[in-house]
Amino acid sequence: GIQVEQSPPDLILQEGANSTLRCNFSDSVNNLQWFHQNPWGQLINLFYIPSGTKQNGRLSATTVATERYSLLYISSSQTTDSGVYFCAVIYNTDKLIFGTGTRLQVFP
Amino acid sequence: DTEVTQTPKHLVMGMTNKKSLKCEQHMGHRAMYWYKQKAKKPPELMFVYSYEKLSINESVPSRFSPECPNSSLLNLHLHALQPEDSALYLCASSQEKLNTEAFFGQGTRLTVV
Repeated sequence: GIQVEQSPPDLILQEGANSTLRCNFSDSVNNLQWFHQNPWGQLINLFYIPSGTKQNGRLSATTVATERYSLLYISSSQTTDSGVYFCAVIYNTDKLIFGTGTRLQVFP
Repeated sequence: DTEVTQTPKHLVMGMTNKKSLKCEQHMGHRAMYWYKQKAKKPPELMFVYSYEKLSINESVPSRFSPECPNSSLLNLHLHALQPEDSALYLCASSQEKLNTEAFFGQGTRLTVV
């Protein structure tokens, strides 16, 4: 099956810093989403991004499907950005497979 | 409105109990999913329903029994669970299978004692 690896696994930042999270996948995918899981377990949709670049406030994402990776940029991080970030790829039409996750902690 | 509602939020059950998890969406989505997430792990797919029919069962033990009574509602019936089944159970929906954006509920945190 497909492998979806995220890096780094853990990231500790001070408030105001910028960061880049990476998602690599081992096979062709139909689509890709980025989620933020808050401490209560809720998965919050960040981006639905099969290719190209999208921006939403301090966050932006780029997917290069032909090279099998996606990047999530967080600028001017805030403590509320803490949590786990997952990419998830749509594989074989019916399956949304999650990456290994990046755990982000932002300190004041 | 992109809301998927799961009830209950928390559930504690004994190994001999029967309980059900409920998931509801009113976005007109025709695909619904159950995921299981253990602590510090990513969510893992359990079941996929498309147009109220089960289309994927990821070799889930029979003590988990899904049901889709209508296009807005998805249940997960639990019976004779084991302590290792304790996890966060997440429901999701998308417009049609998974070539469209999926939205998740807040989850049910299940503890089996």
